[in-house]
Amino acid sequence: EPEVTQTPSHQVTQMGQEVILRCVPISNHLYFYWYRQILGQKVEFLVSFYNNEISEKSEIFDDQFSVERPDGSNFTLKIRSTKLEDSAMYFCASRTAGNYGYTFGSGTRLTVV
Amino acid sequence: GQQLNQSPQSMFIQEGEDVSMNCTSSSIFNTWLWYKQDPGEGPVLLIALYKAGELTSNGRLTAQFGITRKDSFLNISASIPSDVGIYFCAGPSGAGSYQLTFGKGTKLSVIP
Repeated sequence: EPEVTQTPSHQVTQMGQEVILRCVPISNHLYFYWYRQILGQKVEFLVSFYNNEISEKSEIFDDQFSVERPDGSNFTLKIRSTKLEDSAMYFCASRTAGNYGYTFGSGTRLTVV
Repeated sequence: GQQLNQSPQSMFIQEGEDVSMNCTSSSIFNTWLWYKQDPGEGPVLLIALYKAGELTSNGRLTAQFGITRKDSFLNISASIPSDVGIYFCAGPSGAGSYQLTFGKGTKLSVIP
């Protein structure tokens, strides 16, 4: 069964450093998402991406965040200058047109120290 | 913004028992989704509901889209140890939006 692949699975970074989280969505999906889940809390929307541009973004997705689809397969989330409160699981997801049922990746656990 | 309230927050059941959990909202949803999250993994879609009153099954799981469109229920019959995990309800954050709002989850523990 097709999967959304995320790398790395764990990342520890110093506060103030830049991180890039990587995702390979399912190949025939056109809509891409980043969500995050702070430990023990609910899953929260960050950003959606379609046709090489951001479709929607939440209040969490401030100027420190950016997304990119640098080639035909990868979809990245960059946090420019990490803060302690950015520590969370970050999930990439993708879907086909007209389908609410996303496929999520296994996540990247980001720890900012 | 829209909020989804799930209950119970957690539950412990004996293997073989049936389980019921629900999700409510103060606003109307046109779609309800139920996801399961295993520890250290991403949410996996279990059931999607698109019509008020709809009752949909996926193996031992059955979910219903409430008539008021403000609630949904998930039932698991004859629970087994691998049912352990966190069950989230989710729905679109607004009309025409594919951005999902998630509930806080129901954590299910199954005692063998």
